[in-house]
Amino acid sequence: DIQMTQSPSSLSASVGDRVTITCRASQSISNYLNWYQQKPGKAPKLLIYAASSLQSGVPSRFSGSGSGTDFTLTITSLQPEDFATYYCQQSYSTRLTFGGGTKVEIK
Amino acid sequence: QVQLQESGPGLVKPSETLSLTCTVSGGSISSYYWSWIRQPPGKGLEWIAYVYYSGSTSYNPSLKSRITISVETSKNQISLKLGSVTAADTALYYCARGALRSSFDYWGQGTLVTVSS
Repeated sequence: DIQMTQSPSSLSASVGDRVTITCRASQSISNYLNWYQQKPGKAPKLLIYAASSLQSGVPSRFSGSGSGTDFTLTITSLQPEDFATYYCQQSYSTRLTFGGGTKVEIK
Repeated sequence: QVQLQESGPGLVKPSETLSLTCTVSGGSISSYYWSWIRQPPGKGLEWIAYVYYSGSTSYNPSLKSRITISVETSKNQISLKLGSVTAADTALYYCARGALRSSFDYWGQGTLVTVSS
């Protein structure tokens, strides 16, 4: 199985801050890495697919980078609606796996 | 706009079989993979299984012995059966479009299943 490790598990930030979340795969997954945002009581929402492609309708302050085993989700200028939990997910292997999540809270 | 809606009993007794249905509207299930994903209360996401519209499947090995996923193209529905449930299977169950080498781009709202006597 490919393990996905996110860090940090939580962070506190202020509106306007730049936020970076990292995701590490236990083996190379090329660029088969997706990022999701989940707000309380809601289904996850796709933000970034294929490591760096922005899903339609997602604000450009979200960006993704990386390949192989190390990936990053960056939010430039955090907005009030961005406070949520973020998950990475690999689709490289037949056993699809998610990272443990990063909760972004208001400082 | 593609929409997914999960349905099924909210309460299942231990050792029984959980049966869920996902109905897709606003688009055809043909030519896509469809997955079930679950989330225990307050915890993270776990992929359960996926099915291609043609019927080919893949299962999470940790659940494989208890799962059946199927598709009914005439009804635009995807079904999940999970047998011999325990309290550990209590979770919010989501259906989503996507699987291997892709992303989950459409999700249902989720249905909460509680396993309790």
